[in-house]
Amino acid sequence: QVQLVESGGGVVQPGMSLRLSCAASGFSFSNYAIHWVRQAPGKGLEWVAVISYDGSNKYYADSVKGRFTISRDNSKNTLYLQMNSLRPEDTAVYYCAREWQQRHYFDHWGQGTLVTVSS
Amino acid sequence: QSALTQPASVSGSPGQSITISCTGTSSDVGGYNYVSWYQQYPGKAPKFMIYEVSNRPSGVSNRFSGSKSGNTASLTISGLQAEDEADYFCSSYTSNNTLVFGGGTKLTVL
Repeated sequence: QVQLVESGGGVVQPGMSLRLSCAASGFSFSNYAIHWVRQAPGKGLEWVAVISYDGSNKYYADSVKGRFTISRDNSKNTLYLQMNSLRPEDTAVYYCAREWQQRHYFDHWGQGTLVTVSS
Repeated sequence: QSALTQPASVSGSPGQSITISCTGTSSDVGGYNYVSWYQQYPGKAPKFMIYEVSNRPSGVSNRFSGSKSGNTASLTISGLQAEDEADYFCSSYTSNNTLVFGGGTKLTVL
């Protein structure tokens, strides 16, 4: 069955960096665009970034543009999110989510990994 | 990239119907039929309930339906059940090749 498992979250100080991973299994990873979506504690969902199936296209939310980089390694069935210059407002659970057939909705989500930015 | 507008909360009694609105602009909701809806229980990952405005994936109850008029999409839940109590989020594709979510609506079943 389709599985997405995030890892790499933790507590970091403002200004520091962190890299999240999302390990995929149960489907042909290289055929799907994958997104990062985050949710601050007690808040709503916020779309973060997307990468196309082959990594050639990447788009970001204005709130993370220039600080976060999305990438993927199709040989390892893994998605990444490199987060630099972290701010307290980046504190959230970060989910990876599969986009179904370029139809701009998420049919599978991971369980999320918590990132806390605090001094 | 302003969030889509949803009511913060709605409520209804078992058996009743409720509707959650999701208002955007012509650059997102109004410009594309790529509105989706997600249900989220506390501490859990979201689950998709409606895609492309009004399509329901297999396994989702037919009590859930979606529609759109202009820049506003809607999710209707009929025959409310206690298990429907959750947070609901809408999402839309945008003209910037990005996605945007609504702020979320907490549904309380009285």
